[in-house]
Amino acid sequence: QVTLRESGPALVKPTQTLTLTCTFSGFSLSTSGMCVTWIRQPPGKALEWLARIDWDDDEYYNTSLKTRLTVSKDTSKNQVVLTLANLDPADTATYYCARIRVGYRSGWYVDYWGQGTLVTVSS
Amino acid sequence: NFMLTQPHSVSESPGKTVTISCTRSSGSIATDYVQWYQQRPGSAPITVIYEDDQRLSGVPDRFSGSIDSSSNSASLTISGLKTEDEADYYCQSYESGTPWMVFGGGTKLTVL
Repeated sequence: QVTLRESGPALVKPTQTLTLTCTFSGFSLSTSGMCVTWIRQPPGKALEWLARIDWDDDEYYNTSLKTRLTVSKDTSKNQVVLTLANLDPADTATYYCARIRVGYRSGWYVDYWGQGTLVTVSS
Repeated sequence: NFMLTQPHSVSESPGKTVTISCTRSSGSIATDYVQWYQQRPGSAPITVIYEDDQRLSGVPDRFSGSIDSSSNSASLTISGLKTEDEADYYCQSYESGTPWMVFGGGTKLTVL
């Protein structure tokens, strides 16, 4: 059974750095074709893709946030960590981690989502 | 860069069929696969359709996906509507040949 769970602070101050951890089970991020991605959703708004890390250590970032984002993995702990620097109130959102895998037609798709964690940026 | 445009809201009665569109602003809809996600109020999204028309395991066959190159759009069709289908639905694709995900703005489905 595949599960993912996000953890991190619920409240952070502007200009600070946010660190979120995705702890997962039921799969290994060292298995070929497995990836973990981060997606966020401001209150009442649409989903926004942030970053992805692959089984082979490749990293991908939303170009508009690239200078502020870092994603890393600890395969032995089954964890993926996302950091977002220089926070602004506009970064207030629910942050989701999710598993991405390759499909039958070699496309990439999310098959499992975490429950999400709400992060509020406020002084 | 491209955008995916969805209607803000749709509504239909139980038992009926509804189709939600997702139009790609530039580049071909057929170039990169389209996924669809369902998000009920207060819950995380779940994946219902991947690779344009593939249902994720456990998703009822009332849900189907398709693409139409002539209108450069993807569609999610839900037949035999149930009140439990009431949710926000998001389409998603990729910047051509890259892992960069692009989401539509979401469509609120009301079943009344």
